[in-house]
Amino acid sequence: AQSVTQLGSHVSVSEGALVLLRCNYSSSVPPYLFWYVQYPNQGLQLLLKYTSAATLVKGINGFEAEFKKSETSFHLTKPSAHMSDAAEYFCAVSDIGTSYGKLTFGQGTILTVHP
Amino acid sequence: EPEVTQTPSHQVTQMGQEVILRCVPISNHLYFYWYRQILGQKVEFLVSFYNNEISEKSEIFDDQFSVERPDGSNFTLKIRSTKLEDSAMYFCAGGQTSRLVYGYTFGSGTRLTVV
Repeated sequence: AQSVTQLGSHVSVSEGALVLLRCNYSSSVPPYLFWYVQYPNQGLQLLLKYTSAATLVKGINGFEAEFKKSETSFHLTKPSAHMSDAAEYFCAVSDIGTSYGKLTFGQGTILTVHP
Repeated sequence: EPEVTQTPSHQVTQMGQEVILRCVPISNHLYFYWYRQILGQKVEFLVSFYNNEISEKSEIFDDQFSVERPDGSNFTLKIRSTKLEDSAMYFCAGGQTSRLVYGYTFGSGTRLTVV
């Protein structure tokens, strides 16, 4: 069974600073990996996904993530935080072999950006 | 951009009452999902639905829960006799394919409060 661990339930950065949100996964088979963002009172929006192609994945809003198999990690980064990045971020995993597309989510990381 | 629409956005119900949460998927979606997020906890998979059948369900999805797509458009989640612990945000999602390489789209959620 897969599991996802997001280190840090809250991360606070200054505007313009590097954003680093950590995600580690466990999976018995090569996974698909995802980052979703949830703004207040909104649904889950896909930021980016890793699906066995390039290990460095670029997403929307300047975010990117690197799949590191040796570290079983898929950390999300952004070089320069913007106030509008304040939201909750979820890492999710799915087995490539999953027939019906079930996702397993981490517990989420709330990102706060202060001036 | 097409959206997955969920209604209502917020529902309050008394313990023991039946509730039906509604979702209008994007028209070309074939695979449908319900997830829930109890306040402060992970987003959890409930059920996947394809070809008018449940294709996978979690341990959470017991006999109190049911799903259907009665008219080929709306996708509903019914909770027969709500409990306090059913209070959560419920997300509907849909995709054209079960292959997560294409991702799927989440609705903005229904917040269910059981009192």
